[in-house]
Amino acid sequence: SYVLTQPPSVSVAPGKTARITCGGNNIGSKSVHWYQQKPGQAPVLVIYYDSDRPSGIPERFSGSNSGNTATLTISRVEAGDEADYYCQVWDSSSDSYVFGTGTKVTVL
Amino acid sequence: EVQLVESGGGLVQPGGSLRLSCAASGFTFSSYSMNWVRQAPGKGLEWVSYISSSSSTIYYADSVKGRFTISRDNAKNSLYLQMNSLRDEDTAVYYCARDSGTVGYWYFDLWGRGTLVTVSS
Repeated sequence: SYVLTQPPSVSVAPGKTARITCGGNNIGSKSVHWYQQKPGQAPVLVIYYDSDRPSGIPERFSGSNSGNTATLTISRVEAGDEADYYCQVWDSSSDSYVFGTGTKVTVL
Repeated sequence: EVQLVESGGGLVQPGGSLRLSCAASGFTFSSYSMNWVRQAPGKGLEWVSYISSSSSTIYYADSVKGRFTISRDNAKNSLYLQMNSLRDEDTAVYYCARDSGTVGYWYFDLWGRGTLVTVSS
């Protein structure tokens, strides 16, 4: 089955840029979506179709996808961005949704 | 208000059964495919099952295939998950999630708050 690998943790100072990677075999050929999950809360969609933002998501959140790596970028990081982030794709070879392993973002 | 509300979680013994429900409101439920996604304590997200808007297409994760059954009642704006032969490793918060996007590029644009299922003797 298809595997998505994320770094377990990323630390960033307020006002700086956080980059969260999502690695998968030829992931650039798939559409990648990203979710933010704060403790005790349900996930929230922050990026879909690699780089589109749902309404209400700040422009500070952006995404890219090429080759074997997709990236979620959070610019001008704020304390409120501290959360777990998950990438997700649809794997047509197994008719299943696949989530990444998740990355905990810590704001220093 | 557009929302999904899960119910039916609780404590069940290994080998037991449980039925989860998800009540949808604020949108045309019958127009959307739906899913169940779970999260074990302290772990990541795991997709469980998918059902198309008309129930014509259903998918399951290998980990639950043959034990769980997804269904829906569009007249009642409700989604269900019948869970049989429960195992310790099925312990998780179960989320109801709405599908969006085009075929092959689906994502989850609306989530419920989840219901906790604990499998333990």
